[in-house]
Amino acid sequence: ETGVTQSPTHLIKTRGQQVTLRCSSQSGHNTVSWYQQALGQGPQFIFQYYREEENGRGNFPPRFSGLQFPNYSSELNVNALELDDSALYLCASSRLRGLNTEAFFGQGTRLTVV
Amino acid sequence: AQKITQTQPGMFVQEKEAVTLDCTYDTSDPSYGLFWYKQPSSGEMIFLIYQGSYDQQNATEGRYSLNFQKARKSANLVISASQLGDSAMYFCAMREGGYYKLSFGAGTTVTVRA
Repeated sequence: ETGVTQSPTHLIKTRGQQVTLRCSSQSGHNTVSWYQQALGQGPQFIFQYYREEENGRGNFPPRFSGLQFPNYSSELNVNALELDDSALYLCASSRLRGLNTEAFFGQGTRLTVV
Repeated sequence: AQKITQTQPGMFVQEKEAVTLDCTYDTSDPSYGLFWYKQPSSGEMIFLIYQGSYDQQNATEGRYSLNFQKARKSANLVISASQLGDSAMYFCAMREGGYYKLSFGAGTTVTVRA
C-alpha cells in the first residue's frame, strides 16, 4: 500500500461540466504529479506541483488546472469537459525531485464524460 | 517522437516460466532513468525496478531484472518464475535529466496461465 489516496474512484459527468479530482499524498511527500491515462494507453503527464507551485506542465490545455495545499494534498480541476477527457486520472507523489526518484501512485479516478 | 516504445501489446506465459518484456527508448540526454511499473486491473501503478543511465550493472529486484543495453537504447524487463498474480499491464517509463515527468510507453499486457 503506497499511502496515496484519490477521490472519488469513479465519476460520471456531462460534457461541458466542470470536475474536481482530489489526491492525498503519501506522508512526507512534497511533490505531486497528475497523469491522464486513456483506455488502452500509457499515462500522459499533465502537470507537477512542488511546494504549492506548478513547476512543470505537459501538453494539456489551460482548462486543466491544479492546486497543491500546504499539507501537500492536491486537486486537479477540469473545466468545460469534453468526451475525450474520459480517462483514468492518476496522482503520483514523491519525497524528492531527482532522476531516480520513485513516484508512488494512487489507484486513480476513472472519469467518464457523457 | 515517441520516447518509449513497447512493441508487444500482449503476452501469454506459463506459470513458473520466465517472460521478457521489450522496451526501447529515445533520448539525447546522457542522464536519464528508466522505470518499470505494473498496473493490475485495480488501476494503481506499482513500481517494480529502476535503472539509471550511468549504472554499470543491470538492476535486479527479487524476481524482476532489467536487461539494460545502452548502445541499443533498450531496457527489457525479465520476470522470472511467473506467478498468477503477475497477470497485469506493464509499463516502461523514462525520466530525463533536468525534467520532472515520467514518459510512459503504451504498455504490455501479461497473462500468466496455470
